[in-house]
Amino acid sequence: DGGITQSPKYLFRKEGQNVTLSCEQNLNHDAMYWYRQDPGQGLRLIYYSQIVNDFQKGDIAEGYSVSREKKESFPLTVTSAQKNPTAFYLCASSAVTEAFFGQGTRLTVV
Amino acid sequence: GENVEQHPSTLSVQEGDSAVIKCTYSDSASNYFPWYKQELGKRPQLIIDIRSNVGEKKDQRIAVTLNKTAKHFSLHITETQPEDSAVYFCAASYTGTASKLTFGTGTRLQVTL
Repeated sequence: DGGITQSPKYLFRKEGQNVTLSCEQNLNHDAMYWYRQDPGQGLRLIYYSQIVNDFQKGDIAEGYSVSREKKESFPLTVTSAQKNPTAFYLCASSAVTEAFFGQGTRLTVV
Repeated sequence: GENVEQHPSTLSVQEGDSAVIKCTYSDSASNYFPWYKQELGKRPQLIIDIRSNVGEKKDQRIAVTLNKTAKHFSLHITETQPEDSAVYFCAASYTGTASKLTFGTGTRLQVTL
């Protein structure tokens, strides 16, 4: 069954901790993306990768880091430098005609 | 960069009525405009899209129109049903594909009985 999988579904982080959100796809897509979703602000692009071993900053990259060592995987690290990390995070991969989203990870700082 | 504005932020209609959601974009190079639907607790999914060489596209009860001169595009849902209740996002891309999408802020549509 092809798709894009995010884990975990819920994540709690203490102040000052780094956390890593997982995103895996078996759709054979070259392009992958991380979006942050906040109420009333839509989907804002954090990072994207068009090909393995290459990635670019999106509109709100500060406080986040990514890696793209494998085509299937695009993990996102939320660092302690991100001042307001509590949000819903969506990973996506895209073919020519459609972007496919994962189920999302809800990150809460406690 | 591209900026996409979406209105209204919330929309309530009675079952059977029509709903219209409007988006404007800033980059005249944008040429691909998809609409995504996100039901509560679920992932966004593509419902319809349009490219800049087309003015209108229909798929059963949904349609999208594009005005390149004015740089705006709209989603029209006719004969609304309770299952249409969701958040709808418009998006734009200059690549002609689903890559590098800039999303609007979303419209929460509520269809009441």
